[in-house]
Amino acid sequence: SQKIEQNSEALNIQEGKTATLTCNYTNYSPAYLQWYRQDPGRGPVFLLLIRENEKEKRKERLKVTFDTTLKQSLFHITASQPADSATYLCALVGPTGNTGKLIFGQGTTLQVKP
Amino acid sequence: DAGITQSPRHKVTETGTPVTLRCHQTENHRYMYWYRQDPGHGLRLIHYSYGVKDTDKGEVSDGYSVSRSKTEDFLLTLESATSSQTSVYFCAISDDRSTDTQYFGPGTRLTVL
Repeated sequence: SQKIEQNSEALNIQEGKTATLTCNYTNYSPAYLQWYRQDPGRGPVFLLLIRENEKEKRKERLKVTFDTTLKQSLFHITASQPADSATYLCALVGPTGNTGKLIFGQGTTLQVKP
Repeated sequence: DAGITQSPRHKVTETGTPVTLRCHQTENHRYMYWYRQDPGHGLRLIHYSYGVKDTDKGEVSDGYSVSRSKTEDFLLTLESATSSQTSVYFCAISDDRSTDTQYFGPGTRLTVL
């Protein structure tokens, strides 16, 4: 079955540094991969989507890479701030023609210390 | 929260009682989803809808039913609540079938005693 793995251990970094979160997947060839942010007590919020034919996508301080050979996506936050502290979820979408249901990873919690 | 509300936001109930959670959207999106989120499991899809009166099962649908009589409302019913259904429930909506980008509601915390 399809499986997504994100580092379950919290990532603690110092303000100003670059945070890098990893999303690995198996038994799957997704057409898209998405990243969401979730704050405590709230629903996930969509951040970025990257397609299988894209190597990299940027949005302000966020950068996502997608390596279909390694079956891995990396999510980078540059110049991190304490306000970036949250749990980040990756999610996979099936190839065109499938139902398109999202499969979510369990998320990695990022803590940015001032 | 992208024009999505969930009610109630918190509920405590007893084992064996029926419970209905409501999701209401003002975005006129076609697709609606119910997830549960539990520690160690992440978000898991319960049921989804691809239009009025069109619904299908997700990964963890046992013990749950849904109904969608209007575009804006998607109801999740726990037919006879069990303690294993204690969880946080999220509704999501989408209008893009190709990317399935989803927008989530604020969640309902349900405790079954």
